[in-house]
Amino acid sequence: DIQMTQSPSSVSASVGDRVTITCRASQGISSWLAWYQQKPGKAPKLLIYAASSLQSGVPSRFSGSGSGTDFTLTISSLQPEDFATYYCQQANSFLGSTFGPGTKVDIK
Amino acid sequence: QVQLVQSGAEVKKPGASVKVSCKASGYTFTSYGISWVRQAPGQGLEWMGWISAYNGNTNYAQKLQGRVTMTTDTSTSTAYMELRSLRSDDTAVYYCARKPVAGYFDYWGQGTLVTVSS
Repeated sequence: DIQMTQSPSSVSASVGDRVTITCRASQGISSWLAWYQQKPGKAPKLLIYAASSLQSGVPSRFSGSGSGTDFTLTISSLQPEDFATYYCQQANSFLGSTFGPGTKVDIK
Repeated sequence: QVQLVQSGAEVKKPGASVKVSCKASGYTFTSYGISWVRQAPGQGLEWMGWISAYNGNTNYAQKLQGRVTMTTDTSTSTAYMELRSLRSDDTAVYYCARKPVAGYFDYWGQGTLVTVSS
């Protein structure tokens, strides 16, 4: 199975900060990578798919990059509604799926 | 608009089975798959498997093989997930999610809490 790791596990940031979260796959997954945002008591929300494609309706301050084994999610200017937990997901249909352990973004 | 509406919370005893439903609307059901993801209290997301609503093909997470069955009823646009031989560590919120051809999940149900307790 492909294992996913994320760093950091948590980050404290202020409104307006640039935040970068890293995700690493245990083997190459090309661009089969998605990012989700989850707020307490809510279902996850798709932000980015295919490593860098912005899901419809998601603000442009969110961006994704990477391929192979190393990926990043960047929030260019953190907004109050962005405080949440972020998960990466290996999304190759032929290999099953795996989520990263999550990164909690909270208020500094 | 796309909606996935799940069945209500369940309380089960260890060793029992649970079957959670997920009714889809707002899109052509057979053009997408349905995936199931669970989240234990205070923990991260765990992929359980998916099913093609087109042909019923399934792919289950290895750790759940033999205990989980995913099915669909195309006449009602409903997906089902049955988990057997329940244990306390199966206590979790269970989500269904729509899966395009690629393996990401673009719409999610509201979640169903399954509590396993004696």
